[in-house]
Amino acid sequence: EAGVTQFPSHSVIEKGQTVTLRCDPISGHDNLYWYRRVMGKEIKFLLHFVKESKQDESGMPNNRFLAERTGGTYSTLKVQPAELEDSGVYFCASSQASGDSYNEQFFGPGTRLTVL
Amino acid sequence: KQEVTQIPAALSVPEGENLVLNCSFTDSAIYNLQWFRQDPGKGLTSLLLIQSSQREQTSGRLNASLDKSSGRSTLYIAASQPGDSATYLCAVTDSWGKLQFGAGTQVVVTP
Repeated sequence: EAGVTQFPSHSVIEKGQTVTLRCDPISGHDNLYWYRRVMGKEIKFLLHFVKESKQDESGMPNNRFLAERTGGTYSTLKVQPAELEDSGVYFCASSQASGDSYNEQFFGPGTRLTVL
Repeated sequence: KQEVTQIPAALSVPEGENLVLNCSFTDSAIYNLQWFRQDPGKGLTSLLLIQSSQREQTSGRLNASLDKSSGRSTLYIAASQPGDSATYLCAVTDSWGKLQFGAGTQVVVTP
């Protein structure tokens, strides 16, 4: 069974440009999460999808970040326009739905974003 | 506001010694706690998940305990090997399902 995959693995862009990150969760996982680690800090939550709906987007830093999950399968995270402080590693995770409880989250390898 | 702390930040042990990694959290209203391993430049690998109703979970040489009332979890790795060298992260799941991470403990096991 394929794990969580992310594309690209590394992106280098100039300040002001747009970047779109993609995450393919494990097949059948309704829950999809985006997290981010910026240099020297802990991994922080960005948002949570349940199928195609945003369950919680309290961690999104500002309106330059837009996440979508059309059809409840893969998700994209767009940063437009990118700023220097957006540099970091963006992780995607997925988990199975299970009533009111929360299951083990499985993480992708991450996308390293460098904004110059 | 939940805060997750991991002590120590770094640890170096000779091969064969047991590893003890600590994680504490300030809000005991958690759904579960997960321990992860991260190798340099790689993603996170889930090691153990402890539900809030459980006291411990075991997988091979790994054993994790959870004391929810005191806000503590400990990961034990028996008979450490050089391949255990990595950063170990603990994370608690809050009532909304999101993980809140500690900063991690960087472990080096010397041959």
